[in-house]
Amino acid sequence: EVQLVESGGGLVQPGGSLRLSCVVSGFTFRSYWMSWVRQAPGKGLEWVANIKEDGSEKYYVGSVKGRFTISRDNAKNSLFLQMNSLRAEDTAVYYCARDGSGPEFFDLWGQGTLVSVSS
Amino acid sequence: DVVMTQSPLSLPVTLGQPASISCRSSQSLVFSDGNTYLTWFQQRPGQSPRRLIYKVSNRGSGVPDRFSGSGSGTDFTLKISRVEAEDVGFYYCMQGTHWPPYTFGQGTKLEIK
Repeated sequence: EVQLVESGGGLVQPGGSLRLSCVVSGFTFRSYWMSWVRQAPGKGLEWVANIKEDGSEKYYVGSVKGRFTISRDNAKNSLFLQMNSLRAEDTAVYYCARDGSGPEFFDLWGQGTLVSVSS
Repeated sequence: DVVMTQSPLSLPVTLGQPASISCRSSQSLVFSDGNTYLTWFQQRPGQSPRRLIYKVSNRGSGVPDRFSGSGSGTDFTLKISRVEAEDVGFYYCMQGTHWPPYTFGQGTKLEIK
């Protein structure tokens, strides 16, 4: 069974840090690009970052550049998002999703983990 | 960044009737490889997004054939031939041609009249 399971969300103060994880099973993780997408409460979807199969390329949306870092551990089938200098506007449910250029493009999503930034 | 504009933003539909959602991009979504990376997602209440359509018109695995996608260049459409109760939720288009970043439309809320 294919599963993407995010964890690591929670309540953090502005300026704080969190590290999100996404553990994958049921497909060959190391063969796919992966993305993080977020959704603020009551709002639409926003792509945050993605990473190449071997971790050699990483891309970010402008609003998180320099604050967030995407990474992966292919040996542990895990995707990460290190979030520093968090702001209130980063409050959202964060989803991991399978990326790529073929039929697998955003075909698999996790259940999401909620990050709340508030004092 | 490419701006994706959906219409309508709210779509009340009678059960069994068709529904149509438009998505327009601020520039052509044809990539240098000839493909057009326009994707449609459904998000039911309280659930994660689910991909319906990729590369304009390709239905994903397990997606009912009442969902169809069409369009080219900057104008795209998602059609539901006969709306069912389980189709209630939000629908988003997303472009994957001019990235980073991938960009989504604002979302269209489909509800039953």
